[in-house]
Amino acid sequence: QVQLVESGGGLVKPGGSLRLSCAASGFTFSDYYMSWIRQAPGKGLEWVSYISSSGSTIYYADSVKGRFTISRDNAKNSLYLQMNSLRAEDTAVYYCARELDTAMGRFDYWGQGTLVTVSS
Amino acid sequence: SSELTQDPAVSVALGQTVRITCQGDSLRSYYASWYQQKPGQAPVLVIYGKNNRPSGIPDRFSGSSSGNTASLTITGAQAEDEADYYCNSRDNSGNHVVFGGGTKLTVL
Repeated sequence: QVQLVESGGGLVKPGGSLRLSCAASGFTFSDYYMSWIRQAPGKGLEWVSYISSSGSTIYYADSVKGRFTISRDNAKNSLYLQMNSLRAEDTAVYYCARELDTAMGRFDYWGQGTLVTVSS
Repeated sequence: SSELTQDPAVSVALGQTVRITCQGDSLRSYYASWYQQKPGQAPVLVIYGKNNRPSGIPDRFSGSSSGNTASLTITGAQAEDEADYYCNSRDNSGNHVVFGGGTKLTVL
C-alpha cells in the first residue's frame, strides 16, 4: 500500500534551518509528481511547493520562495524540503503529498505530517 | 495568486443532504478537488475533476461546478462525515495551488 512518512521536524529558532524528508513506498515514486503542504496550528491548508517526477519542474508558494528548496532522490524514493531563514509564521505541520496525475493540485495520498515549530 | 472562498461552518441533520461551496476565479479554468480532514488526521481526497471519487470514498459524496463556484454535496450525511472540508485548485497562473479556508461540517 502507498505510504508517505515525513521526518525531520522539530523546534528551531527564527532564522534557523531545517530539512524535512518524506520516505515513499508502495508505488513507483519516480512516476509521480509530489508536493509539500503545510497547516499552521488550528488553521487551514497551505500549499508550499511542487516538484515534477524528474525534478525538472519546481514551483513554490510566494510565502516561501527564496527560502525553501524542494528536491527529490528517485533512487532513494525520497522527497525533501530544505527550509532556511525560518520565521515564526512557518510554524506548521508539514505534509508531503502525492499528486494524483500531472494536473497539479490533486493530492491522492498524504503522509501523517511532521511538526515544525519556529520559536526563540 | 487567486483565492478560494468557503463558508466557515455548515451544519446538517443526520441523513439529510448538505452542499458545501467554494468560490474563486480559478474555478472558471480548473476543476476543484475536495478533501476531508478529521481532527488529528491528514486530509483525505474525496472528490476530484468533474465528479470523480477515489477508491473507497462512499458514493454519497459528489461534486459539481458552475462558473466560479464548485460544490461538494453529501447526500444522506452520516455522523462520520463530521469533519473539516477543504477545496483546492490550481490558481490562474497555473503554477501555484490554492486552498479554500475550509468548512467545518457539523452533523446534528
